[in-house]
Amino acid sequence: SQKIEQNSEALNIQEGKTATLTCNYTNYSPAYLQWYRQDPGRGPVFLLLIRENEKEKRKERLKVTFDTTLKQSLFHITASQPADSATYLCALERWGFKTIFGAGTRLFVKA
Amino acid sequence: TAGITQAPTSQILAAGRSMTLRCTQDMRHNAMYWYRQDLGLGLRLIHYSNTAGTTGKGEVPDGYSVSRANTDDFPLTLASAVPSQTSVYFCASSEGTGGADTQYFGPGTRLTVL
Repeated sequence: SQKIEQNSEALNIQEGKTATLTCNYTNYSPAYLQWYRQDPGRGPVFLLLIRENEKEKRKERLKVTFDTTLKQSLFHITASQPADSATYLCALERWGFKTIFGAGTRLFVKA
Repeated sequence: TAGITQAPTSQILAAGRSMTLRCTQDMRHNAMYWYRQDLGLGLRLIHYSNTAGTTGKGEVPDGYSVSRANTDDFPLTLASAVPSQTSVYFCASSEGTGGADTQYFGPGTRLTVL
């Protein structure tokens, strides 16, 4: 079955630096790979989606890459701010299967 | 726009009792989902509904039931709660028209079964 691996250890970075989060998966390549943000006590909020035939997607300070050979997606936040502190989840979707979510990586941005 | 609302926000329930978690969306989305989120395990799908009148089982359906009588509402029922059902429950919806299935989540219900 499909598995998603996200770094369970929290990522601590200094304000202004680039945060890079990793999402690795096994088995089949998804048709879509999504990234969500979750704040404590809240539901996840959609951020970005990348298709299997796309290498990179950007939205403001966010960038997602997708390497189907490595079975990996990287999520970058440039010029990070303390307000970016949250848990970030990746999710995989493939036609005929329900979306699968990773456990998430906690990001702390220090001022 | 309210999006998705869930009730109650939190609940403490005695083992063996039944309870219904409510979920309502105002986006006219076809698909709706129930997840539970436990520390270190991420979101796990309990049940889903692709459209009103249909439901399906997710990864962890045992001990839970759902119904989808109309587009807007998707209640989750625990017939006889057990302590292992202590979790945070999220309802979500998506357009469900094919293509990318971006999901919109409610604020969650924190359930403690004692």
